[in-house]
Amino acid sequence: GAGVSQSPSNKVTEKGKDVELRCDPISGHTALYWYRQRLGQGLEFLIYFQGNSAPDKSGLPSDRFSAERTGESVSTLTIQRTQQEDSAVYLCASETQGGGYYNEQFFGPGTRLTVL
Amino acid sequence: AQSVTQLGSHVSVSEGALVLLRCNYSSSVPPYLFWYVQYPNQGLQLLLKYTSAATLVKGINGFEAEFKKSETSFHLTKPSAHMSDAAEYFCAVRRAGNTPLVFGKGTRLSVIA
Repeated sequence: GAGVSQSPSNKVTEKGKDVELRCDPISGHTALYWYRQRLGQGLEFLIYFQGNSAPDKSGLPSDRFSAERTGESVSTLTIQRTQQEDSAVYLCASETQGGGYYNEQFFGPGTRLTVL
Repeated sequence: AQSVTQLGSHVSVSEGALVLLRCNYSSSVPPYLFWYVQYPNQGLQLLLKYTSAATLVKGINGFEAEFKKSETSFHLTKPSAHMSDAAEYFCAVRRAGNTPLVFGKGTRLSVIA
């Protein structure tokens, strides 16, 4: 079946504008993660959704970042009043539930965000 | 907190030479360790994962990793590098199922003809 998809693939915006990034997980995957990859750095966890539980927002760097997920489907990551330091590749991953410690997370191709 | 450290942000090898990418973990409980690869302009793909069933783990594309508890290491190796192996490699750890991965900073592998 289809993998994780993300849109747009590239986004260029001006400082101070809001942006929305979209993730379509693999059908049936109850867990969904957002990560950020800044140039020369590893991936940083941002937020995690698991079924109908309250999301784990512990990785969000500021209150300008928020995310939503409707049921077990699409998720959107919103960045308000973008800053240049928000420039990064934003990766989404999904995973089945209950597979244990060794479950694989499946990653999308990412959205490259550039804030001018 | 669990973490992984990847030694060397960039490794360059000749085609046909041994590939060795280093990863050390810090964990107070049995670690659940993964290696992912990221090809240019693509998402991450799982190479292999440590499941405690065996200390030597074989993955895709001829890669393998050995879990050494005494050294808290999970280094990635491949006997003979191919040009197509040029990519960024990430070591990662998680504390439990359905929890976020904690990634190392990555190692960029270059393969020279």
